Amino acid sequence: DTAVSQTPKYLVTQMGNDKSIKCEQNLGHDTMYWYKQDSKKFLKIMFSYNNKELIINETVPNRFSPKSPDKAHLNLHINSLELGDSAVYFCASSPGNMANEQFFGPGTRLTVL
Amino acid sequence: GNSVTQMEGPVTLSEEAFLTINCTYTATGYPSLFWYVQYPGEGLQLLLKATKADDKGSNKGFEATYRKETTSFHLEKGSVQVSDSAVYFCALRNGGSQGNLIFGKGTKLSVKP
Repeated sequence: DTAVSQTPKYLVTQMGNDKSIKCEQNLGHDTMYWYKQDSKKFLKIMFSYNNKELIINETVPNRFSPKSPDKAHLNLHINSLELGDSAVYFCASSPGNMANEQFFGPGTRLTVL
Repeated sequence: GNSVTQMEGPVTLSEEAFLTINCTYTATGYPSLFWYVQYPGEGLQLLLKATKADDKGSNKGFEATYRKETTSFHLEKGSVQVSDSAVYFCALRNGGSQGNLIFGKGTKLSVKP
C-alpha cells in the first residue's frame, strides 16, 4: 500500500494552460504539505493544511491554489501556467508531532513548454 | 528566520571511503533535525533523525549527532557503497507540531566502484 501517492507522475503542458496535481495519504495524518523542487534540487515549502485548514501559505503566486476536500487529500491547482513553474512538486504528510518526520510522495514532474 | 546550510557538492568517493557531509543550522529553540535521501528519479526518504541535543540518529550505517554547541548535524558513514549514490538533504522542523521542513540545498554523492 502506497502511503503518500500523487497523480500524475509526469505532466507536460503548454504555457497558459490550467492543470491540477492530486495527492492522497492513507497514513491517517492530520497535516499535509506541498513542496516545490527546482532544477537545482532546492526544496521549498509552498502550502500546508491541517485537518482541511490552510496553515502555511508561503510567497507563492496566487495562480497556485491548494484544496483539501478532506484530511486525506490535498490537491494543487495551477492556473495560467508559466515556463518558471516547471519543477518537481512533492506532497508530504505528517502526524501532529514536532519530532515526527514527514512522509513524501513520489513527486510530480511538471514541464511547461 | 530558521535556515539550514549544507555542504555543497557534488561529492565523488570510491567505494569503502569515509563520508562526511556537513550541515549547520540557525534556529530559535531546538528543532528536530533530519537527513533525507533522494535516489535518482525518486521521492525523498527519511534516512535518520534526532529530536534533541546530543541525540544520535543512525540508519543503514549512516550516523549524525545533534550538536547544540556548534549547531551542527553532520552526516557520516564509515564505508560507502555504490548504492549510496544519491542526493542527501539536511532539514529542520520549522515552527510547531504542524511546521514545515526547511531544507539545505542538497549534496549529490556519487560513489565509484
